[in-house]
Amino acid sequence: GAGVSQSPSNKVTEKGKDVELRCDPISGHTALYWYRQRLGQGLEFLIYFQGNSAPDKSGLPSDRFSAERTGESVSTLTIQRTQQEDSAVYLCASSQRETQYFGPGTRLLVL
Amino acid sequence: AQSVTQLDSHVSVSEGTPVLLRCNYSSSYSPSLFWYVQHPNKGLQLLLKYTSAATLVKGINGFEAEFKKSETSFHLTKPSAHMSDAAEYFCVVSEGNDMRFGAGTRLTVKP
Repeated sequence: GAGVSQSPSNKVTEKGKDVELRCDPISGHTALYWYRQRLGQGLEFLIYFQGNSAPDKSGLPSDRFSAERTGESVSTLTIQRTQQEDSAVYLCASSQRETQYFGPGTRLLVL
Repeated sequence: AQSVTQLDSHVSVSEGTPVLLRCNYSSSYSPSLFWYVQHPNKGLQLLLKYTSAATLVKGINGFEAEFKKSETSFHLTKPSAHMSDAAEYFCVVSEGNDMRFGAGTRLTVKP
């Protein structure tokens, strides 16, 4: 596609359930990022993939959060045993030549 | 690791007056610097980027930013604010594909 896509666009879940968020980067982009944006706040870095290198997981807030990426394609962000404080917009971006292109985000609401 | 500090969480200006959004960065190398804008309920959009060419960078919608190495600053300016400029603005520093966002500055434009 022409841009970064994310699915689902919205997700409502119950506390304690697991959720999986998907990101399809722009074809050929070697770097992929996940961010979290809570209501009224700035972007919070979560994780960064660069090619086949080990990902930078320094931003993951707890061991309930994990992410995978297959080669230079799709990435999934998994949140296990969701908590209400996980409610946020989760943004994915891919980059080439140091410019990030953002997806529309997945809005997660944990009840 | 690199980092960025946006000095004002909120800036309010009157329509037609100048805009100044301040950003200071920390980087071990010669960084690339970016400004992104996020309008309410919209995705992130790249305003402009500095990648070691001209120190004064012109972006979309009349915005520009000046890279000042001696001050480690990359402030965003616009001569005359428009109502449509009301949004959240993010300063970003990158070393290669490792990019980090500032906390954001919310710009309010009063009629």
